[in-house]
Amino acid sequence: DAKTTQPTSMDCAEGRAANLPCNHSTISGNEYVYWYRQIHSQGPQYIIHGLKNNETNEMASLIITEDRKSSTLILPHATLRDTAVYYCIVRVEDYGQNFVFGPGTRLSVLP
Amino acid sequence: EAGVAQSPRYKIIEKRQSVAFWCNPISGHATLYWYQQILGQGPKLLIQFQNNGVVDDSQLPKDRFSAERLKGVDSTLKIQPAKLEDSAVYLCASSLQGAVYNEQFFGPGTRLTVL
Repeated sequence: DAKTTQPTSMDCAEGRAANLPCNHSTISGNEYVYWYRQIHSQGPQYIIHGLKNNETNEMASLIITEDRKSSTLILPHATLRDTAVYYCIVRVEDYGQNFVFGPGTRLSVLP
Repeated sequence: EAGVAQSPRYKIIEKRQSVAFWCNPISGHATLYWYQQILGQGPKLLIQFQNNGVVDDSQLPKDRFSAERLKGVDSTLKIQPAKLEDSAVYLCASSLQGAVYNEQFFGPGTRLTVL
């Protein structure tokens, strides 16, 4: 079973920041937080991951609370192409460990 | 860089028939995964290969599903016989062996409809 809980769906206005929350209250000290997204009719795509510190890349920012029990994925300027299902996953940084996907959050970016 | 290739993209069969899916991972990726994604759910891992050996097949329904990765490159996933509940998208993914964070690259999937 997935170790995370996410809202089922969210809406965001085009050009505004999309903030997607994720709860992972039982996360272990050696588990990372990963985010993937899945655009309709495509396979999931890696976005970002982190352990403790906030992370930023060309796609998004990841904010992890100090107690690591929750995190927020931020898309700074959402576009219509960001409409997708976003998955938050916790996983040990071990080559043998796999990703367990929950149902994710369906983000709709509205014009 | 070419992505993960899968074929066919769509397949419709009747229950009790057999079906096979093909996956060609990204060149140089030693690890290959097959996932099943039922409508409205996240992908569920069926089997993981490391080169041509099976690492994890604990969630593969072995009475009807089989997979192989001969020569450690391409892979096929077979269902025989198919049931109605096998209707899903079958996703193939690959990753570099020893990658620091094991980013998985997914193919577009094969949508299977069992009638």
